[in-house]
Amino acid sequence: AQKITQTQPGMFVQEKEAVTLDCTYDTSDPSYGLFWYKQPSSGEMIFLIYQGSYDQQNATEGRYSLNFQKARKSANLVISASQLGDSAMYFCAMREDNNDMRFGAGTRLTVKP
Amino acid sequence: DSGVTQTPKHLITATGQRVTLRCSPRSGDLSVYWYQQSLDQGLQFLIHYYNGEERAKGNILERFSAQQFPDLHSELNLSSLELGDSALYFCASSVRAASGEQFFGPGTRLTVL
Repeated sequence: AQKITQTQPGMFVQEKEAVTLDCTYDTSDPSYGLFWYKQPSSGEMIFLIYQGSYDQQNATEGRYSLNFQKARKSANLVISASQLGDSAMYFCAMREDNNDMRFGAGTRLTVKP
Repeated sequence: DSGVTQTPKHLITATGQRVTLRCSPRSGDLSVYWYQQSLDQGLQFLIHYYNGEERAKGNILERFSAQQFPDLHSELNLSSLELGDSALYFCASSVRAASGEQFFGPGTRLTVL
C-alpha cells in the first residue's frame, strides 16, 4: 500500500518567493521519522530535513522548514526565498521504527527568474 | 558530498550479463541500503545491511544479491540482466539500523542494451 503521497507532480515558484511542497503519509506506528530529499538534475540525493513523530516543534534547516501536522498526517516542506538552484525533484520519505524508508513519487520544482 | 562513495558512476552492459556495483559508507556508519530508481517504478528500496548482516529485503529480484564486508563496504550483484534493469542504483548509509536519516551516494547509472 502506498504510504507516502506527494500530490503535486510539478510546481513553479518565482525566485525569492516561498513555496510549499505537499506530503501526506499513512502509518499506524506511533514512532516514525519523516524526511525530505532533494534530487537535482545531476542525480544525487541530498538530505534536507528530518522530523521525528515525537518532536514537539517543526524542524527547520536554514531556508527549509517542515510543516508537521500529526493529526492530519502531513509533512509539508516549505522553502523560503527560493533560489534558481532550488530547481530539482523533491522527495518526501517516511521511516517507521525497525522498518525501511519509503519514498513518495516526488515533486519537480522549477524556480523562475 | 555526503561521504558515501559508489563505483562505477556509469555502467553499460548487455542483456544476460552480470555486474557488480560497489559502495563505501560514510565513516562510522554501520548500515548500508541499496535503492533502485527507475522512471516507471520511482525510488524502490532493495536491501539493507547492518554491520555485515542482512536486516531487511524490499523489492529485490532473485537475480540480484548483495553483501556487506567486514570493512563495511557493500556490493550489489545484478545477474542475467534485462533491459528493464536499466536504472540509477543508489547506496545510502546511516549510523543506526532502525531510524535516522540516510545519506546517499552519487549513484551508479546502469544501462542494459
